[in-house]
Order: sequence, then C-alpha cells, then structure tokens
Amino acid sequence: DQQVKQNSPSLSVQEGRISILNCDYTNSMFDYFLWYKKYPAEGPTFLISISSIKDKNEDGRFTVFLNKSAKHLSLHIVPSQPGDSAVYFCAASDWSSGTYKYIFGTGTRLKVLA
Amino acid sequence: EADIYQTPRYLVIGTGKKITLECSQTMGHDKMYWYQQDPGMELHLIHYSYGVNSTEKGDLSSESTVSRIRTEHFPLTLESARPSHTSQYLCASSESLYNSPLHFGNGTRLTVT
Repeated sequence: DQQVKQNSPSLSVQEGRISILNCDYTNSMFDYFLWYKKYPAEGPTFLISISSIKDKNEDGRFTVFLNKSAKHLSLHIVPSQPGDSAVYFCAASDWSSGTYKYIFGTGTRLKVLA
Repeated sequence: EADIYQTPRYLVIGTGKKITLECSQTMGHDKMYWYQQDPGMELHLIHYSYGVNSTEKGDLSSESTVSRIRTEHFPLTLESARPSHTSQYLCASSESLYNSPLHFGNGTRLTVT
C-alpha cells in the first residue's frame, strides 16, 4: 500500500510559467512533509518542507501548500527555469510516533522548456 | 551544505561476490538511512539507524546488512550479490531535532552481472 502518491509521472512547462507538482498521502499521522529534487546519477537534494501545523511555506521561487483535510500537498515553482528540469519527489514522515522514517512518492519528472 | 559521502559511485560486479557500500557523514547526525531506488520508482527504505549500535530493517525487505559502530559511518554489505540487487543505493542522514530533513549522498549505482 503506497502511502505517498505522485500521480503525474511527468510534467512539461514553458520557461517563466508556473510549475505545479502534486502529491497525495493516505496516513493521517504524517506531520512533516518535504520536497526533493533529483538529477540523474545524483542523490536527492532537499528543497523545502512544511510542518502539519502550517498550510503554506515559501522559500524564494518555491512554495509548498498543505491541505490536511484532503491529504494533499503541492509544490509551486514560479517562475520556472530550464535548470529546474529534474525529477521531484515528495516525502512524508510521522515524527510524533518516534519512528523518524521518511516515505517517498514515485516522483514527477519536470521538464521546463526554453 | 550537507556533507555525506558514498563510495563507490558506480560498481559492476559478478554474481556471488561480497560487496560493501560505504557511507560517511561529517555532520554528527545520529540518524542514518539506506534507501534503494529503481528507475521510475519511489525510494524504498531498507535500513536505518538512530545512533551507534542501533540498526533497524526498513519497509522493503533486503538481503543486505548494515552496521553502525561509529556515528559517522554506516556501511551496507551484500554477502553474495545477485542480479536482482542491481539498483541505486542512496545513503542519508538527519539531525535529531524535530522535523529535520534528510540529507542524501550521491548514491552508488550497483550492477550485478
């Protein structure tokens, strides 16, 4: 049973426009959510995170939104740049349970067209 | 910038060989993790550790073993490699503070022929 789902395997966006990547989760105990960016042959790089006590967190061009009632989070990238082309993973963890495990989605490949 | 190192980056070996994938971090993080990822798939947790002499199996069953004798070092060993072990192996660490992100190394791409 996949607890973290990214239903869009790929997304193409024009340079300068907004990229919206989506993620759904099933475990209501998750209290910390993260987004990672991954280039081929490299490890994932941490982008931005959000605690369950918030519904929005912003860092430069990246904003993460959390809708707890819908068990949905999204990553907005504005404006999108060609260098943003990569695979994006969302992840969730349940720190309150003391297990400190991070569960990842399958990723969405973003292609930003120049 | 996180300092976590994995060696080797790429490894091609024959079936039946014993291998050890190295992972070291210089940040003093207590928590360390091993993930396995196949192309187009999610990262699967195969082992984790909360500190020295602490190791736990992850959600994905793995024939590999790990050890944590020193805080900074978390090696993964396969006693007898098989083609089904071909994958990318990613090591990560995190602080013990509430809501700390994972920091990943660059991974080891293992191919077993």
